[in-house]
Amino acid sequence: KNEVEQSPQNLTAQEGEFITINCSYSVGISALHWLQQHPGGGIVSLFMLSSGKKKHGRLIATINIQEKHSSLHITASHPRDSAVYICAAPAYSGGGADGLTFGKGTHLIIQP
Amino acid sequence: ETGVTQTPRHLVMGMTNKKSLKCEQHLGHNAMYWYKQSAKKPLELMFVYNFKEQTENNSVPSRFSPECPNSSHLFLHLHTLQPEDSALYLCASSQDPRVVNTEAFFGQGTRLTVV
Repeated sequence: KNEVEQSPQNLTAQEGEFITINCSYSVGISALHWLQQHPGGGIVSLFMLSSGKKKHGRLIATINIQEKHSSLHITASHPRDSAVYICAAPAYSGGGADGLTFGKGTHLIIQP
Repeated sequence: ETGVTQTPRHLVMGMTNKKSLKCEQHLGHNAMYWYKQSAKKPLELMFVYNFKEQTENNSVPSRFSPECPNSSHLFLHLHTLQPEDSALYLCASSQDPRVVNTEAFFGQGTRLTVV
């Protein structure tokens, strides 16, 4: 079963800073997910990527399948980016049919 | 709004009560999932339903009983829970579990407190 590790667990930064959150996993996968969880619990899918890089607004996600590593970057960070960011990968290699396994999350606080 | 709706959003129940959590999606997805998020712990998979058939039971105690009457609805029936079962319960769905790289959509969760 896949093991997902995230770092850092907690991150506090000033508005405008460039943010990087890292994720590594143990089992080769076809795609990895980055999720955002706001206070109150709801989870939003930010990215699902299987290779290279994806960009959405100020968010950029990269993945290196060979090294089993992914990063989430936030450019020009803003207080509204404060949330828990969670990396998730298929529990077993081959796809998501058996559900996802999750990292512990990175609690990000952006101070004005 | 992700297209996955969970009710209720908050639930307080006694250890002898029976209650049910509901999840609904009208995204045309064929797979639905229950996840549990306890304090200070990562999300844990509980159950997976593919095309209304349960395909995964991640060693969940029998006091949690899932039901999937159709591909749009998923329930989690709760009875004789323990205080340590207090957690956020999240439902998710995805389009076709047979296709790799399928994106998951999550509900807002039900915050359950067992007293």
